[in-house]
Amino acid sequence: DIQMTQSPSSLSASVGDRVTITCQASEDISNYLNWYQQKPGKAPNLLIYDVSNLETGVPSRFSGSGSGTGTDFNLSISSLQPEDFATYYCQQYDILPLTFGGGTKVEIK
Amino acid sequence: EVQLVESGGGLVQPGRSLRLSCAGSGFPFGDYAMHWVRQAPGKGLEWVSGISWNSGSIDYVDSVKSRFTISRDNAKNSLFLQMNSLRAEDTAFYFCAKANNFGTVTTGFDSWGQGTLVTVSS
Repeated sequence: DIQMTQSPSSLSASVGDRVTITCQASEDISNYLNWYQQKPGKAPNLLIYDVSNLETGVPSRFSGSGSGTGTDFNLSISSLQPEDFATYYCQQYDILPLTFGGGTKVEIK
Repeated sequence: EVQLVESGGGLVQPGRSLRLSCAGSGFPFGDYAMHWVRQAPGKGLEWVSGISWNSGSIDYVDSVKSRFTISRDNAKNSLFLQMNSLRAEDTAFYFCAKANNFGTVTTGFDSWGQGTLVTVSS
């Protein structure tokens, strides 16, 4: 199975900060990588698909990138807003079973 | 508007069975793969099972293989998960999720239900 490792597992940041979350795959997954946001008590919400494509309706302060190796990926929030405090998950869909990273909880400093 | 509504969760004893349902609307249900994803309370997300649009491709996470069965009824816009031989570690919120592309089962998820809680305990 492909292991997805996210870091950090949690972070504290202030409104207006730039935040970057990393996700590393245990093997090359090409560009088959999505990012989700989940708020407490809610279902996850797709933010970015195929590494860097913004899902419809997602604010442009969110962006995704990859290193080109097929194993290292980033989710960035350019200017953190109050509604962005949530848990973020990466997910690979290159090979079954589909797997998620362990999550990164973004908290208010 | 895409809507996915799960039902069938509840408290069940270890070793017993439960059947989850998911009703889809607002999109051509029969055109998309569908999935079950679970989340133990306070924990991360775990993909459980997926089924292609025509049921021709099905897969499961290893921990539920031979115990869970996914199925769908496109005529009724419905997805199901039959869960047998339930264990305490199956306790979780179970989300129904729609594939975000026209692939087989290797997809992401662009719409989710609100989740249904399955608690396995004596």
